[in-house]
Amino acid sequence: DGGITQSPKYLFRKEGQNVTLSCEQNLNHDAMYWYRQDPGQGLRLIYYSQIVNDFQKGDIAEGYSVSREKKESFPLTVTSAQKNPTAFYLCASSPSYDSGYQPQHFGDGTRLSIL
Amino acid sequence: RKEVEQDPGPFNVPEGATVAFNCTYSNSASQSFFWYRQDCRKEPKLLMSVYSSGNEDGRFTAQLNRASQYISLLIRDSKLSDSATYLCVVKTSYDKVIFGPGTSLSVIP
Repeated sequence: DGGITQSPKYLFRKEGQNVTLSCEQNLNHDAMYWYRQDPGQGLRLIYYSQIVNDFQKGDIAEGYSVSREKKESFPLTVTSAQKNPTAFYLCASSPSYDSGYQPQHFGDGTRLSIL
Repeated sequence: RKEVEQDPGPFNVPEGATVAFNCTYSNSASQSFFWYRQDCRKEPKLLMSVYSSGNEDGRFTAQLNRASQYISLLIRDSKLSDSATYLCVVKTSYDKVIFGPGTSLSVIP
C-alpha cells in the first residue's frame, strides 16, 4: 500500500543533541512538507520541498534543517539550536506543490521529547 | 487577524445532533479548501475537499462562500466516532497551505 512512513514514533533528545526524524513516501509525490504541532495548537510549517534537491523555509525554520536527496525521502534534523523542540512532528506530501485541489497526505507523526 | 480562523470550541453535543463548524479566511486569492479530521495524538486525515457549489459525503456537508470568505462543515446525526478535532485548511494562489487551529468536537452518549 502507498503511504507516508515516519520514524521513530517516539524520540527523546538530550540537551545539546541533534536528532533526525525520518520521512519516507512511496506515493511518487514531488512535494513534501514538515509541520510542528504543539498541544492544543494548529500545525505550523517548518520546511517544504517542491522537488528533489530543493527546499524552502516555512514559518518556523529556525533550529531545524532538512535535505531532499531522493524523491522518496525528506528527513528533518532538529538541531541543538532549537530551544523548545518538544512537539508532535508531522510529515506530509502532495503530488506537486502546485497541485490545485490535491490535498496533502500525512504520516502518523513523531513525538519528540526532551530528556 | 489570523489567516484562517475557526470556531474556538469545544463543542459538546449529544448523539444524533446536528453540528456546524465555521471557518473564515483572510486571503481573497485562496483557491482550494479542505476539511481534515484529527483524532487525539494522531495525524490529520482528509475528511473532504470543499467545492464552490458545495458538496456532501454521507452525513457531512461542506459549503464555501467566496464572497464572505467563509467555509462551513455540517455533520448530521452525530456519532460517538465523530469525536475529534476538525481542521479547516486553505490553499492560496501562491500555493501556501494554511491550517486553522481546529475545533474540538465531543459527541456524548
